[in-house]
Amino acid sequence: GAGVSQTPSNKVTEKGKYVELRCDPISGHTALYWYRQSLGQGPEFLIYFQGTGAADDSGLPNDRFFAVRPEGSVSTLKIQRTERGDSAVYLCASSSGLAGLQETQYFGPGTRLLVL
Amino acid sequence: GESVGLHLPTLSVQEGDNSIINCAYSNSASDYFIWYKQESGKGPQFIIDIRSNMDKRQGQRVTVLLNKTVKHLSLQIAATQPGDSAVYFCAENPIYNQGGKLIFGQGTELSVKP
Repeated sequence: GAGVSQTPSNKVTEKGKYVELRCDPISGHTALYWYRQSLGQGPEFLIYFQGTGAADDSGLPNDRFFAVRPEGSVSTLKIQRTERGDSAVYLCASSSGLAGLQETQYFGPGTRLLVL
Repeated sequence: GESVGLHLPTLSVQEGDNSIINCAYSNSASDYFIWYKQESGKGPQFIIDIRSNMDKRQGQRVTVLLNKTVKHLSLQIAATQPGDSAVYFCAENPIYNQGGKLIFGQGTELSVKP
C-alpha cells in the first residue's frame, strides 16, 4: 500500500511568514510523529499524536510551532513568524499504534523548508 | 544527558565486502533500538530493530548486535552493494518515553566503492 506522504516536498518562504506542512500517514495508522532534521544531523522529535490528540509535544521548540490532527488521519504542522533557523527538513512518520509505544515508525520523504 | 552517538561519521568499503557500523548509547533504560537508512533527499527507511531481551537479530543481509553491558549497538551488512550507499542512523526508544519518540544518533555515511 501507499506509504507516508508529505506535501509540499519543498517550501521556500520569507522570514516572518506563516507556513503549513501536511502529512498523510499510512492508512489505518493511529500514531503519527513529526521530526525535524537539520543538515548533517539525525532527526529530532517534535510531537506525537495518538489518534486526534497530541500525546507528547515536548519537542516543539517554542510556541511558534503547532500541529493538529483533527480527524485522526492527516496532520498539519504549522509554523508562525518563521525564522531562518527554522530551515530544515520536516519529517513525518506513522506507526500502527496497535503494538504499544515501541513499534516500527515509517517515515515520509520530508518537506524541505527554506526560510530566506 | 541521554544520547545516542556513532563512533565514525564516514565509512568507505569495497563492493562485496562486509560493513560494520557502530553506535553507542548512554541510557541504560533504553530497551528498543532501530537502524534506519537514509538516502540523499529521502526520508529514513527502516532496516531492522532489536529489543533489549535479545543480543542478535538477523534480516536479509543485515545483522544487528546489541551489547547491553557496554551499551553498544552495531549493524553488519553482508556483501555490501553500491545501493547500500547512504547515511545510517541508529535510534533508541527508552522505556520511560511517554510515547514512541525516537532519539537518533548523528549518523554514519557509508560509501561503497565499485
